[in-house]
Amino acid sequence: AQSVTQPDIHITVSEGASLELRCNYSYGATPYLFWYVQSPGQGLQLLLKYFSGDTLVQGIKGFEAEFKRSQSSFNLRKPSVHWSDAAEYFCAVGADIGGGSNYKLTFGKGTLLTVNP
Amino acid sequence: SAVISQKPSRDICQRGTSLTIQCQVDSQVTMMFWYRQQPGQSLTLIATANQGSEATYESGFVIDKFPISRPNLTFSTLTVSNMSPEDSSIYLCSVKSSRTGKETQYFGPGTRLLVL
Repeated sequence: AQSVTQPDIHITVSEGASLELRCNYSYGATPYLFWYVQSPGQGLQLLLKYFSGDTLVQGIKGFEAEFKRSQSSFNLRKPSVHWSDAAEYFCAVGADIGGGSNYKLTFGKGTLLTVNP
Repeated sequence: SAVISQKPSRDICQRGTSLTIQCQVDSQVTMMFWYRQQPGQSLTLIATANQGSEATYESGFVIDKFPISRPNLTFSTLTVSNMSPEDSSIYLCSVKSSRTGKETQYFGPGTRLLVL
């Protein structure tokens, strides 16, 4: 069965600093990979996704992630963090269950990002 | 992307009662999903709801506790039955949608439930 590990429960960065959130997955085939963000009191918003192709994926709000098969990782990065980026970030892996785009998501436990002024 | 709305956005309920959560999507979708997010935890899939068939429940979730309806391609309900304080969670509706290529999974704003 697939699994996702987000090693950092809580990260604090200063506004303007760079950010990297770690995500490692376990899955026997090429995974579909996602990053979602959940702001306080909100639902989940999709930041970016990887299905195939270019391993460096660009998302919304200036985020990017890189799929590294050799490391089973899909780390999320942003060069300069804004105060509005404070939220919880979830990495998810989609395990193909057949039928083309039919996959089942498994989520990591999330990383809470605090941004200091 | 799909636009998903949920009602109610939050509620406080007494133990032993039931609450029905509604999910409305702005486009027709084949599969709708219901997730639970317990306090400080990640998301756990409760069930997958296809229109015209019985919902498929994940291990640990049963129809008697979480009955689901899916009357058409844009709407679903999840009922949390005979509630206890352990049911206090955020309940999220989710769908897969695509303009081109593979479908992407989108989430509603969630229903925040507190059971006293």
